[in-house]
Amino acid sequence: DAKTTQPNSMESNEEEPVHLPCNHSTISGTDYIHWYRQLPSQGPEYVIHGLTSNVNNRMASLAIAEDRKSSTLILHRATLRDAAVYYCIRHSSNTGNQFYFGTGTSLTVIP
Amino acid sequence: GAGVSQSPSNKVTEKGKDVELRCDPISGHTALYWYRQSLGQGLEFLIYFQGNSAPDKSGLPSDRFSAERTGGSVSTLTIQRTQQEDSAVYLCASRSGQGVGSPLHFGNGTRLTVT
Repeated sequence: DAKTTQPNSMESNEEEPVHLPCNHSTISGTDYIHWYRQLPSQGPEYVIHGLTSNVNNRMASLAIAEDRKSSTLILHRATLRDAAVYYCIRHSSNTGNQFYFGTGTSLTVIP
Repeated sequence: GAGVSQSPSNKVTEKGKDVELRCDPISGHTALYWYRQSLGQGLEFLIYFQGNSAPDKSGLPSDRFSAERTGGSVSTLTIQRTQQEDSAVYLCASRSGQGVGSPLHFGNGTRLTVT
């Protein structure tokens, strides 16, 4: 039970911003939102995580809705190397510290 | 520093044989996870180790699957009497603690093919 909902696939033009949505309508107050991405033939890599406030790092930005029922991963300028499957995950230490991965969003970047 | 290391990177075995997959986590990481990823699918949770606590085995698909973690470091996932449906990429991840803020660090996986 992934407990998050993401579109199966998205496309973006190179050098344009990408907004990857995630719904987590049953999120509890202590659940963090994590994002990972998986490039072909590699294990997933951490992108960003947050609880309530918007977060920025060198890879991306995370915008969390005020009611926390949804979030958006923002890649400010898509490059061909950003083509990957992006996973949005709820994580809570109250549920045994498990990270449940859904099927993610497959992002295609068009040159 | 060194990341999570998994070996072998590829394993081909005959149906009915036993296999062992190894994971070397990042030094000092107390939590270790195993996942399975079938072709074109998301990650399926298998088992989770945290320090000296009893592991969470709730994701193991059958009693043919087992895992151990010796000395709180290296972990081995064992699949007995392999079946063709066991063919998948087996991924290991570690993280530094129990806090919800620490991320998972993944290895590149072992691709298991059962013929």
